[in-house]
Amino acid sequence: GQQLNQSPQSMFIQEGEDVSMNCTSSSIFNTWLWYKQDPGEGPVLLIALYKAGELTSNGRLTAQFGITRKDSFLNISASIPSDVGIYFCAGQPGSARQLTFGSGTQLTVLP
Amino acid sequence: DVKVTQSSRYLVKRTGEKVFLECVQDMDHENMFWYRQDPGLGLRLIYFSYDVKMKEKGDIPEGYSVSREKKERFSLILESASTNQTSMYLCASSLWDPLGGYTFGSGTRLTVV
Repeated sequence: GQQLNQSPQSMFIQEGEDVSMNCTSSSIFNTWLWYKQDPGEGPVLLIALYKAGELTSNGRLTAQFGITRKDSFLNISASIPSDVGIYFCAGQPGSARQLTFGSGTQLTVLP
Repeated sequence: DVKVTQSSRYLVKRTGEKVFLECVQDMDHENMFWYRQDPGLGLRLIYFSYDVKMKEKGDIPEGYSVSREKKERFSLILESASTNQTSMYLCASSLWDPLGGYTFGSGTRLTVV
């Protein structure tokens, strides 16, 4: 199936630092979504983006829908211990009834 | 609060057993999905369903089957469990057009011994 390239695969950061991760695709997506998965739980939707160039914030999280519609990034500012988890990007290609998921970014926040 | 409920958080089964993983959603969603998650491999789609009694193979259907007899319930069946099916299994659902995203269950951690 289609692939989303998500990077980095893992990050180790100090508490208080900012974090940035991104996803790229070889094809156009109409919707970009960012999920967070806490250890031992299912992923939970953080941010949804629907228009090229759209920039959306949710507290300390900011995500953007790339102008080319082939990429998206997620920034987390002033990281805290509860930011630990796996972050997934997901996109809806065209009018597909399925989402395509990135492979995830494992975030570790060091005290 | 809308929910996707997976019947078990943890399961331990023996090799060769038939295993049923149940998933129920209360959001009247048309689409339902089963994924497995293994370290470093992301989310891999096993099966999905867009309607009652309808099922489609995902990327890794071998060794699994599914059943959707009612709109709200989507069951994953391991016909003869093997140790390489030890994994985290996630159920998800969405509206017909998933632009609002999927809602995931909390997952079932299955260990086959």
